[in-house]
Amino acid sequence: EIELTQSPGTLSLSPGERATLSCRASQSVSSNYLAWYQQKPGQAPSLLIYGASSRATGIPDRFSGSGSGTDFTLTISRLEPEDFAVYYCQQYVSSPRTFGQGTKLEIK
Amino acid sequence: EVQLVESGGGLVQPGGSLRLSCAASGFTFSTHWMYWVRQAPGKGLVWISRITDDGRSTTYADSVKGRFTISRDNAKNTLYLQMNSLRAEDTAVYYCARASPTWENDHWGQGTLVTVSS
Repeated sequence: EIELTQSPGTLSLSPGERATLSCRASQSVSSNYLAWYQQKPGQAPSLLIYGASSRATGIPDRFSGSGSGTDFTLTISRLEPEDFAVYYCQQYVSSPRTFGQGTKLEIK
Repeated sequence: EVQLVESGGGLVQPGGSLRLSCAASGFTFSTHWMYWVRQAPGKGLVWISRITDDGRSTTYADSVKGRFTISRDNAKNTLYLQMNSLRAEDTAVYYCARASPTWENDHWGQGTLVTVSS
């Protein structure tokens, strides 16, 4: 089973700032089968990034994903008020599909 | 528009059973693998089960293997999760999710809450 470790656990930033979220895998995630999801309170997760770097339909270009192998990053270039949420990475290269524990992005 | 709508959650006693449903619309249900993912209160996301598009192959997380059964009815565009021998630690919001042609979970339902308590 591939374990995913996200850091930091909580990130406190202000609107307009840049956010950098990390996801490290216990073994290589081949074919870059790594996704990022955003979850707001009381809502289902929604897909942001798939294939490590491809934006899902309708996702603004301030969201970008990068990385390969075992180290992946989600970057939000300029935070908007609606971006404050919990973010999860997920690997889907092997079963069981596993998620990171999440990074909470909060308003400073 | 792709829609996934879960139902069937509720309060059940330990040892009891519940069947969740996920009604799909807006896409060709029979061509997509489907998943169940759960989230305990205040906790993260945990994958629990997957079924292939034709329903012939299923997999489960160790935590639910032998107690939960995933199935689908492609004629009714509906995914199911039969949950038996429920435990307090099964208390969670249960989401169904679709796998896209590139395999990520691109659409999720709104979730249904299952509470296991006496």
